Amino acid sequence: DVKVTQSSRYLVKRTGEKVFLECVQDMDHENMFWYRQDPGLGLRLIYFSYDVKMKEKGDIPEGYSVSREKKERFSLILESASTNQTSMYLCASSLGGGRGTLGEQFFGPGTRLTVL
Amino acid sequence: QQPVQSPQAVILREGEDAVINCSSSKALYSVHWYRQKHGEAPVFLMILLKGGEQKGHEKISASFNEKKQQSSLYLTASQLSYSGTYFCGTATGNQFYFGTGTSLTVIP
Repeated sequence: DVKVTQSSRYLVKRTGEKVFLECVQDMDHENMFWYRQDPGLGLRLIYFSYDVKMKEKGDIPEGYSVSREKKERFSLILESASTNQTSMYLCASSLGGGRGTLGEQFFGPGTRLTVL
Repeated sequence: QQPVQSPQAVILREGEDAVINCSSSKALYSVHWYRQKHGEAPVFLMILLKGGEQKGHEKISASFNEKKQQSSLYLTASQLSYSGTYFCGTATGNQFYFGTGTSLTVIP
């Protein structure tokens, strides 16, 4: 059974803290994604990685960075968390191809981050 | 560039049909459909490639009109298990965007 796992289901952090969200996939997928999901706004792409050490900014990258040192692992970093980053964060993976030719994406269960 | 979905929310009785629409302002290469149940991850339903093909799976099917840059998801004889939020995703150029979602609730 294919699987995308995320390090935490719920996380509470304070303003200004550095936050790491980890995502691991076991499908040998080239592509990995970080989305945030907010009511009424759908899923918005933060960053996309198409290979180890390769990344592209998504639609809302400000305030975030990413790291992909190994194919199976994609980390999202909030350098200095702010209250407007309170959200549900979803990781996904898919087989290779650019954003315009994507195939099925497999999603993790999400991390609900609250920044106080 | 984010596709527009309509309606935003719909409530159905079991056995009724529903249509969810997805519209883009840009020429599309493909349209994807996902369903997310409450508290769960989105799950892939289908991809439609340009060429106007219609795909289906059991009682859920979809069409893609590339000239109109629109796709529609058809749910027939809805079941309680169809409840959830449906997202379309549109691929255009080198970009991919999810829509804002349509909440569908099926009641007995």
